[in-house]
Amino acid sequence: QVQLMESGGGVVQPGRSLRLSCAAPGFNNYALHWVRQAPGKGLEWVALISHDGVNKFYGDSVRGRFTISRDNSRHTLYLQMTSLRAEDTALYYCATNGREGSWYGKDFDHWGQGTLVTVSS
Amino acid sequence: EIVLTQSPGTLSLSPGNTATLTCRASQSDYSSSLAWYQQKPGQAPRLLIYGASSRATGIPDRFSGSGSGTDFTLTISRLEPEDFAVYYCQQYDSSPPRYTFGQGTKLEIK
Repeated sequence: QVQLMESGGGVVQPGRSLRLSCAAPGFNNYALHWVRQAPGKGLEWVALISHDGVNKFYGDSVRGRFTISRDNSRHTLYLQMTSLRAEDTALYYCATNGREGSWYGKDFDHWGQGTLVTVSS
Repeated sequence: EIVLTQSPGTLSLSPGNTATLTCRASQSDYSSSLAWYQQKPGQAPRLLIYGASSRATGIPDRFSGSGSGTDFTLTISRLEPEDFAVYYCQQYDSSPPRYTFGQGTKLEIK
């Protein structure tokens, strides 16, 4: 099965920036998402990018601070996170819907294993 | 903004029993998008049900979804030890695209 693999997590101070990556071979023609999960908490959708990188949408808690992008020549999804806060501490998953082609999809049937971001001084 | 409320928060059952988990939406699911996920400790979520009642690839028929509008149910029949996990519902809203999860139901062994 085609895999999604996140990287780039780590410990970062409040107010600083961090960029996450997700290797997504085989998903150039699919919309891609970031979903996060704070320790011991539930799931929160973060951002969506269309298959061609033109359309981008964000959750309310990250809009204006996070930027989603992709490089289809490298089969890679990115999440640039700025002005990080303690409440951004979470496991960040990349995810997609493999059934709906290039459309955004209504759910997520492929997930990576996540990369942990800890915002702490 | 859609709010999904799952109940109960925790469900304690024995293997072989039937589990009934509910998800109530604050707005009607006009796009028939309601999905259910299973998550085990240390693992990514796994899609179980999409479109309220369609089983995802490889999901056993012990798992079934039902409901429409604002009230949805995930039923797990003949509980197996590997079914004890946390379950989330999720709904899609199209204008603009956004995805909302419920807070989760923990299914634990009694």
